[in-house]
Amino acid sequence: EVQLVESGGGLVQPGGSLKLSCTASGFTFSGSAMHWVRQASGKGLEWIGRIKNKPNSYATAYAASVEGRFTISRDDSKNTAYLQMKSLKTEDTAVYYCTRHYYDSSGYPIPDYWGQGTLVTVSS
Amino acid sequence: DIVMTQSPDSLAVSLGERATINCKPSQSVLNSSNNKNHLAWYQQKPGQPPKLVIHWASTRESGVPDRFSGSWSGTDFTLTISSLQAEDVAVYYCQQYYSSPLTFGGGTKVEIK
Repeated sequence: EVQLVESGGGLVQPGGSLKLSCTASGFTFSGSAMHWVRQASGKGLEWIGRIKNKPNSYATAYAASVEGRFTISRDDSKNTAYLQMKSLKTEDTAVYYCTRHYYDSSGYPIPDYWGQGTLVTVSS
Repeated sequence: DIVMTQSPDSLAVSLGERATINCKPSQSVLNSSNNKNHLAWYQQKPGQPPKLVIHWASTRESGVPDRFSGSWSGTDFTLTISSLQAEDVAVYYCQQYYSSPLTFGGGTKVEIK
């Protein structure tokens, strides 16, 4: 069974930092790209960024709203993806989800599983 | 960035009736290499993460009831629930995964009339 479990959320002051983890199980983690998506309370979904797998050079991409402040990384030996967040703002308050995009037989990514999410609150 | 315009914002449908949700990307999400539209539909119930319903615009996920279907005409995409059930009450989102940044529609809240 595919499972994605986020951790590391909590309360942080504006300007502070936080690192989220997404621990995967039930599939070959190294074969998938990992994405992060957030959702503010009562709002829609916002894609934050992604990291591809090793054959795709661990390429990263980010939304403009977090570029330069957030960094996505992964440790395939630990089946874990990370979201390092710096210079946090009150508008970064949201539930943060990690999601899997697996590659089909032709090498094209397909989104599927989501974790349950972890809440990040940025407030003084 | 590809803007995903989703409509309506909400709709109320009687049990057993059809629900139709629309999504229009601001540019094509058709990948000419695999001839597939890189568009997904998600269902999100209160307090839960989104659940993938449809990918490649029309491929239903395993375990998803066949009353859910995805279709398109040109660059207009549609999620149809052919016979609405009580358990289908949720917010539905479209997403393009053709190019970064990936983008979502604003969501459609489906309720029982």
